[in-house]
Parts: sequence; structure tokens; C-alpha cells
Amino acid sequence: NAGVTQTPKFQVLKTGQSMTLQCAQDMNHEYMSWYRQDPGMGLRLIHYSVGAGITDQGEVPNGYNVSRSTTEDFPLRLLSAAPSQTSVYFCASSYAGRMFTEQYFGPGTRLTVT
Amino acid sequence: EDKVVQSPLSLVVHEGDTVTLNCSYEVTNFRSLLWYKQEKKAPTFLFMLTSSGIEKKSGRLSSILDKKELFSILNITATQTGDSAVYLCAVKILGSGNTGKLIFGQGTTLQVKP
Repeated sequence: NAGVTQTPKFQVLKTGQSMTLQCAQDMNHEYMSWYRQDPGMGLRLIHYSVGAGITDQGEVPNGYNVSRSTTEDFPLRLLSAAPSQTSVYFCASSYAGRMFTEQYFGPGTRLTVT
Repeated sequence: EDKVVQSPLSLVVHEGDTVTLNCSYEVTNFRSLLWYKQEKKAPTFLFMLTSSGIEKKSGRLSSILDKKELFSILNITATQTGDSAVYLCAVKILGSGNTGKLIFGQGTTLQVKP
């Protein structure tokens, strides 16, 4: 198993550009989520999904879109990048019955918006 | 607004010292409190606490929850340089649609010097 994979590892965008951060897992996990981590802020939940076709907003959803068309993939779209979105982004997944206690995190994507 | 606050934000100790990390919370629909350790990259799960007064222990790490006073502590005894990391506290709450989600604190950065 590859676990949770994220691409790209690093990305630099100009203000106003759009892009998609990819997240995939091969463990058949129902629950997937996106977090951003900023210095001194811990992890903040952006969006999450409890299964294909079902998504919901976290604490900081503005400026981001998600969709879950398959169990495996949970891409995060930045519609019009802003410097405030400079951050490290983590994708995570788990079985619905063991959410968070056995939550697997991807390696992260470091995004810089200039 | 749901919030989780950790203290101190950073801590420097010497090997062999004992440290206590604090986490307080104010949330609606509390379900459980979790501790994670983050070294360099993605967080890894340490403990989940659901009931007051019951200590969870793993080696030199232990944690306890006080649901009346709304806080938890994480103790590390006989610290080692390998304990150097960011320790994250998170509270699981029920979101919309009765789905769990995590609210994280800012993290405590622990540095253990030889």
C-alpha cells in the first residue's frame, strides 16, 4: 500500500492563479480531510468527506473547493490563489469507525503564493 | 466559536526532565480529546481521551482529561532528545450531519537538549 499520497510536494503560485492539490489513498478509507498548517496555528480543517459524493466544510473553507467522486481521491482546488493561502497542506484519511485515532496523514504540500 | 488552547507554546528542557503540556478547550458537542506528535512532517496519533479521570499511558508518556474543568495534560517523564517535536492537542466535536471533526490547538513546541 502506498498509504496517503499528495502531489505536488512544493508549489509556487502567483496571486489569482488556480490549481488543484491532489490527494489519494489506497486503503479504502471512507473518511478523508484536508488541513492547513500555519506557524503557531496548529492544524485547521478546510473540508472533509465521509464518502464518495459527500463533502462538508471545516473551519476555514473559504477560497477552497473539494469534490469526492471516488473513494480513493479527494482533490483540493484553490479557485483564485491569495497570499493568505501560503501554508502547508495535509490530507488525511481513516476508516469511518476509527476516525482520528487511526488517521493517516499524507506527507504534505508546501504552497507559496506570491 | 469552538476553540482549543495549548500552553506553553514552546518549551526547552534538558534530557531527563519531566514536562507537562496543557490543553484547554471550549467547544460544543464534545466527543473526545486527542494528542498527536509532529516531527518534521505529518502528525502521528498518541492518545484519545473520552472519560474524565482515566489516565492513558504509553511508556514515558501519559495523559488525563478533566471534563468538568475542560482541560487535559500530557506528561512526558525522563525526556529524551527524540521527544523533541510539536505536540498537538485536538478536540473531536460533532459537525453538521452528526459527523465528527477535529479542532486543533496551536501546538506546543518541545525541544529537549542533551
